[in-house]
Amino acid sequence: DQQVKQNSPSLSVQEGRISILNCDYTNSMFDYFLWYKKYPAEGPTFLISISSIKDKNEDGRFTVFLNKSAKHLSLHIVPSQPGDSAVYFCAASKDQFYFGTGTSLTVIP
Amino acid sequence: KAGVTQTPRYLIKTRGQQVTLSCSPISGHRSVSWYQQTPGQGLQFLFEYFSETQRNKGNFPGRFSGRQFSNSRSEMNVSTLELGDSALYLCASSVDTSGTGELFFGEGSRLTVL
Repeated sequence: DQQVKQNSPSLSVQEGRISILNCDYTNSMFDYFLWYKKYPAEGPTFLISISSIKDKNEDGRFTVFLNKSAKHLSLHIVPSQPGDSAVYFCAASKDQFYFGTGTSLTVIP
Repeated sequence: KAGVTQTPRYLIKTRGQQVTLSCSPISGHRSVSWYQQTPGQGLQFLFEYFSETQRNKGNFPGRFSGRQFSNSRSEMNVSTLELGDSALYLCASSVDTSGTGELFFGEGSRLTVL
């Protein structure tokens, strides 16, 4: 049972535009959410996180939005750069981390 | 500060064999988790160890097992390998097991079962 879902396997965006990656979850008990980025042949690296008591967290070009009523999480990347091309995993936790299936982002120069 | 180290990076086995993967966490990290990554399935949680005790276990058959040593290094073992076990196995360490800290991942061990 996939408790964290990323329904878009892939996304292509022009350089300089906004990238929006989406994530849905089913367990209302999740209290911490994270985004990880993964390049081929490397392990995932932490990008940004948000606690369930907040609805927005910003770090440079990356902003995560949390809509608890909709059980929806999104990551905005503005402006998108070619180096952002990677697979992005969202994760949610309540004592244990649950990961989504990933969205492959391609930023076109 | 050295990162999470996983060995071996690549290995090929045949059906029915068994395999042991190793993970050395970041110094000072006491929690080690294992994940299986396959195309279309994302990162599937295998188990988590904290202070040599298995704290959580994912929905995998008993062929998948693990342990943690007193120095926090961890191993996972897969017995009676099946073709479907071909995957990237990722280890992650964290300072504690609260579920609110950051997970630091290794580069993974890519297992191919023929």
